[in-house]
Amino acid sequence: DAGVIQSPRHEVTEMGQEVTLRCKPISGHNSLFWYRQTMMRGLELLIYFNNNVPIDDSGMPEDRFSAKMPNASFSTLKIQPSEPRDSAVYFCASTSSDRMGSPLHFGNGTRLTVT
Amino acid sequence: SQQGEEDPQALSIQEGENATMNCSYKTSINNLQWYRQNSGRGLVHLILIRSNEREKHSGRLRVTLDTSKKSSSLLITASRAADTASYFCAPAYSGGSNYKLTFGKGTLLTVNP
Repeated sequence: DAGVIQSPRHEVTEMGQEVTLRCKPISGHNSLFWYRQTMMRGLELLIYFNNNVPIDDSGMPEDRFSAKMPNASFSTLKIQPSEPRDSAVYFCASTSSDRMGSPLHFGNGTRLTVT
Repeated sequence: SQQGEEDPQALSIQEGENATMNCSYKTSINNLQWYRQNSGRGLVHLILIRSNEREKHSGRLRVTLDTSKKSSSLLITASRAADTASYFCAPAYSGGSNYKLTFGKGTLLTVNP
């Protein structure tokens, strides 16, 4: 089991640029979550998918943020245009929602720096 | 907010001592989970306690749950320097097909050798 795989591990970009973060969940998991972590706000849930369908995107901060899950093995989080306040560590996590209490498995995150 | 709130925000102890971290939440839960995060890494699941359980053990970890007070505690016994990490609780509320976990800011535990 390779675990949840996120890429890139680090991303440095200039304000105004488009940023795309990628996630490959664990095979067989049908729920996928995107979180953002900062010192000030802690770990925030941005959006989660169940069976590739977005269920709750109330945590997405602005229209500049969008997330897709075209198939069960891939998801993207896009920020366009990026701003310095978007600098944070972005985590993807997956689980099987078919089993109540199934734990989340996290990737090691993408550290985004917007200058 | 459905997230748990961990207390204290930071805890520093000596190796060999016990560490206790607390979590409070606001509404009825199905289960409550504890996670650990080492610096620069993603969260790792430690233990889950269901709403009908009061205490659970896993190795040096002991978790308690008091649903009347809407609180949980995580005890790490005989701590080691390798236990240094942030610890998060995640109350699990669910309804229908929705299953999501939200996290607080965590407790930063430092175990000094």
